[in-house]
Amino acid sequence: KAGVTQTPRYLIKTRGQQVTLSCSPISGHRSVSWYQQTPGQGLQFLFEYFSETQRNKGNFPGRFSGRQFSNSRSEMNVSTLELGDSALYLCASSLASALYNEQFFGPGTRLTVL
Amino acid sequence: QKEVEQNSGPLSVPEGAIASLNCTYSDRGSQSFFWYRQYSGKSPELIMSIYSNGDKEDGRFTAQLNKASQYVSLLIRDSQPSDSATYLCAVNNGNQFYFGTGTSLTVIP
Repeated sequence: KAGVTQTPRYLIKTRGQQVTLSCSPISGHRSVSWYQQTPGQGLQFLFEYFSETQRNKGNFPGRFSGRQFSNSRSEMNVSTLELGDSALYLCASSLASALYNEQFFGPGTRLTVL
Repeated sequence: QKEVEQNSGPLSVPEGAIASLNCTYSDRGSQSFFWYRQYSGKSPELIMSIYSNGDKEDGRFTAQLNKASQYVSLLIRDSQPSDSATYLCAVNNGNQFYFGTGTSLTVIP
């Protein structure tokens, strides 16, 4: 069974630009969660999507948004990029709600903002 | 106060010893608790999940949960050099996940 895939793996952008990251969950998984990982803050929850609906949201500004498609694939968008947005962005999929189900992480997208 | 706190380490144990990793959380309404392992340059992978007070064993790993003390721990018995990694504690309060910053473990051959 294929694992969680994320594209692109690496991205370099400049301040003020916007970026879209993509995540394809494991086949049959309906929940996709997004995380930001930085050396100083660790792993921080961005949001969770389940059946095309945002179920939960972390404490990030509105510049961070996402969506989920009918095939469970998810995209995350960051607008008006700031230097502090440089991070590893991870998505994780689970069968149903991530609350009581094992999450499988993708390899991540390394975003660098110059 | 952070939602989830872990001792950042580094924690060093000799091969074959027991490694003990600890985590405290602030939200008494937290419902599910997880331990992840993350090797350098890799994504986190789930080791254990625990939802009720007490111990849960899986092979060389034992997770312990004490909701009254808001404390979760992970014991690794017969530690192996391949266990050298950063261990992340994660807590879900019903709305979102909170991760600790991780404890770096080194198992010395």
